[in-house]
Amino acid sequence: DAKTTQPTSMDCAEGRAANLPCNHSTISGNEYVYWYRQIHSQGPQYIIHGLKNNETNEMASLIITEDRKSSTLILPHATLRDTAVYYCIVRVAITNAGKSTFGDGTTLTVKP
Amino acid sequence: KAGVTQTPRYLIKTRGQQVTLSCSPISGHRSVSWYQQTPGQGLQFLFEYFSETQRNKGNFPGRFSGRQFSNSRSEMNVSTLELGDSALYLCASSGVYNEQFFGPGTRLTVL
Repeated sequence: DAKTTQPTSMDCAEGRAANLPCNHSTISGNEYVYWYRQIHSQGPQYIIHGLKNNETNEMASLIITEDRKSSTLILPHATLRDTAVYYCIVRVAITNAGKSTFGDGTTLTVKP
Repeated sequence: KAGVTQTPRYLIKTRGQQVTLSCSPISGHRSVSWYQQTPGQGLQFLFEYFSETQRNKGNFPGRFSGRQFSNSRSEMNVSTLELGDSALYLCASSGVYNEQFFGPGTRLTVL
């Protein structure tokens, strides 16, 4: 699985968009980008994933650069409940299917 | 669809004892993975089961074991508990693109 680099922490004002970056410069062609978040003491929550196209669901948008070496998770209107640790993971969808390597993630604090 | 469920939610054991944790995946999911989360080591992969077979294994001692039943429910067992085994144990089942859906975890405290 490709290594990912995320900022340790970020702040965001409530109601504003939260843009969380992730660098994955060694990503290979068959590796997907997955995002999860973990609110304190709860199990991680799957947010979104993508291969090369931008993706959007009810929770967030995922923007992947054309060279696929970085991506950004966008929470369009952050609320206090979005305060969590956000993890960016890159891995092949099929091989090592059930194994995700979690780094330290980004602690996002949404402030009133 | 019901989410991933884990039982028990909290457990207190003493050193040397053994413990069994249970996980029920989302209906239709055949892959179940287990993770250990501690403040010092973060989220670490233990093992993954698919169709009753262990498919992937992390770097944990043999005291940590698991199994999966024909209905995809899974159990993990830790024998001869050590203080350092105190952690949040998380179970996840995998969707079509191997996105993982986690349960709430079992908080194990070893005294």
